[in-house]
Amino acid sequence: AQSVTQLDSQVPVFEEAPVELRCNYSSSVSVYLFWYVQYPNQGLQLLLKYLSGSTLVKGINGFEAEFNKSQTSFHLRKPSVHISDTAEYFCAVSGRTGNTPLVFGKGTRLSVMA
Amino acid sequence: GAVVSQHPSWVICKSGTSVKIECRSLDFQATTMFWYRQFPKQSLMLMATSNEGSKATYEQGVEKDKFLINHASLTLSTLTVTSAHPEDSSFYICSAWDRVHGNTIYFGEGSWLTVV
Repeated sequence: AQSVTQLDSQVPVFEEAPVELRCNYSSSVSVYLFWYVQYPNQGLQLLLKYLSGSTLVKGINGFEAEFNKSQTSFHLRKPSVHISDTAEYFCAVSGRTGNTPLVFGKGTRLSVMA
Repeated sequence: GAVVSQHPSWVICKSGTSVKIECRSLDFQATTMFWYRQFPKQSLMLMATSNEGSKATYEQGVEKDKFLINHASLTLSTLTVTSAHPEDSSFYICSAWDRVHGNTIYFGEGSWLTVV
């Protein structure tokens, strides 16, 4: 079984500042890792995913994340945030084989202030 | 690209009635689909795994008689909330893996259920 810990429930940041949203996972098997964004009253939008290969993954909207196997982390970063990045961000993990569901973290609320 | 579609997007029903939510994989076959529930300001919690042609597997604490899941074809799973109560009001979202076209999991748009 897998689990995800998002260490920060809320992250306030000023516009154009860098941001890092932290995610740690636990699993007894190899995993796939995902970051999703959810705007108010909307569904999930995939930001990026790590399946294999390069540990630095670039996604949409200028976000990137780095898979660190030794630290079991998959932190999300953006060098300069915009007001429009204000949303809920979810880190998720799944096993690599078979039809396994995604397990989500509790989410991090990113609030970008002018 | 592959898409998972849910219907309806929004539904309001009276207490005691039942409501059905459909989840369709449009470009690929999905032998397994997953149903999640999300309460306001909370994360997504897995409710059940829907298996084509067999019974669904429910997570601990999810009432199988209340949340009926039917996966009658390789592209359609349905979730029926029976005898709905206001506490069932939530955001329900389904997902499915496409292992053929890029090994990606897709989520539906979600369905907002309000029970009055």
